[in-house]
Amino acid sequence: KNEVEQSPQNLTAQEGEFITINCSYSVGISALHWLQQHPGGGIVSLFMLSSGKKKHGRLIATINIQEKHSSLHITASHPRDSAVYICAPYSGGGADGLTFGKGTHLIIQP
Amino acid sequence: DTGVSQNPRHKITKRGQNVTFRCDPISEHNRLYWYRQTLGQGPEFLTYFQNEAQLEKSRLLSDRFSAERPKGSFSTLEIQRTEQGDSAMYLCASSATGTSELFFGEGSRLTVL
Repeated sequence: KNEVEQSPQNLTAQEGEFITINCSYSVGISALHWLQQHPGGGIVSLFMLSSGKKKHGRLIATINIQEKHSSLHITASHPRDSAVYICAPYSGGGADGLTFGKGTHLIIQP
Repeated sequence: DTGVSQNPRHKITKRGQNVTFRCDPISEHNRLYWYRQTLGQGPEFLTYFQNEAQLEKSRLLSDRFSAERPKGSFSTLEIQRTEQGDSAMYLCASSATGTSELFFGEGSRLTVL
């Protein structure tokens, strides 16, 4: 079973700050998802990556497969970025090969 | 298409009652997943369908839980004789063949009193 650790668990920052959320996992993977969950439950897929770096707007995701580590960065953070961010590495072997972290609860204050 | 749809969004029930949740995936997606999420935790895999076939079930899925996808389109998750420990958010996701990108619904929150 892939052990997934996210840090920090909770993060409060001021609007405009650069945000970094880290994810470490224990088992080799073929891909990793970063997900965003707003209050009320809905989850949105932000990124799926298997190597290097991806950028979408103010969001950047990086992954180092050898070090079993991924980071999600938010530039020029805004209160609407407040949400829970979940890392989910996929280690293959079927549908239950996707393991979810507990999430990082981000609050951006105006 | 408006994405993955789940209903009801909220369900409050008394212990021992049966509940059923419905998930309508994105229409061209043949893969459908059910997850359970408790407060402060990430989602946990429950079961997976490819078209109408239920291909995987987690050991978390006790015999009180049953899921179906009779025509390979919408799916239902039924919980019989609910217990307080069943209180959670039940999430549905779908994906297309050849990709592991998941599209999630808004979830169905169950509270068992």
